[in-house]
Amino acid sequence: DGGITQSPKYLFRKEGQNVTLSCEQNLNHDAMYWYRQDPGQGLRLIYYSQIVNDFQKGDIAEGYSVSREKKESFPLTVTSAQKNPTAFYLCASSISVGQETQYFGPGTRLLVL
Amino acid sequence: DQQVKQNSPSLSVQEGRISILNCDYTNSMFDYFLWYKKYPAEGPTFLISISSIKDKNEDGRFTVFLNKSAKHLSLHIVPSQPGDSAVYFCAAKTGGFKTIFGAGTRLFVKA
Repeated sequence: DGGITQSPKYLFRKEGQNVTLSCEQNLNHDAMYWYRQDPGQGLRLIYYSQIVNDFQKGDIAEGYSVSREKKESFPLTVTSAQKNPTAFYLCASSISVGQETQYFGPGTRLLVL
Repeated sequence: DQQVKQNSPSLSVQEGRISILNCDYTNSMFDYFLWYKKYPAEGPTFLISISSIKDKNEDGRFTVFLNKSAKHLSLHIVPSQPGDSAVYFCAAKTGGFKTIFGAGTRLFVKA
């Protein structure tokens, strides 16, 4: 079964701690994305990657970092610089950056202790 | 600055009736519009789309209408079924990579 997996489903972060959210896809897609969802708001783009070893900032990249060492994987690190990290994080992929349809993972909910 | 707005946070409809979900946008450069559906604890899934050169696209029970002069699109579900109960996101994009999402409308279909 092709798809996108995200782990963990829930993640707790302590003050000053960096945490990493996992995103893996086996769809052979070149492009991958990270979005953040807050109550009452649409999905906001954090980072995107068009191809391995390349990634670009989205609208709200401050306090986040990513890597794209493998085509299948696009992990997101929420750093201590992100002062309001509590949100629902969604990873997505598409065949290419310009391709209209994105495929989403089930999401990770991050909570601050 | 919300370029894509879904002004109704929720909508309740009786099974068998029509559900109409609305979406307004401000950027006239958007050339492609999509609707995604999201169930709890799952990621959004693509439902239906429409290019800006069209004013209607139909797929089974789902029809999307685009009114470019009003910068408005709507999703019609006929007939509505309990399994349609979900959050529906309107999204829009220009020729580039970026997709702008609305805040979503939660649809409840009552049996």
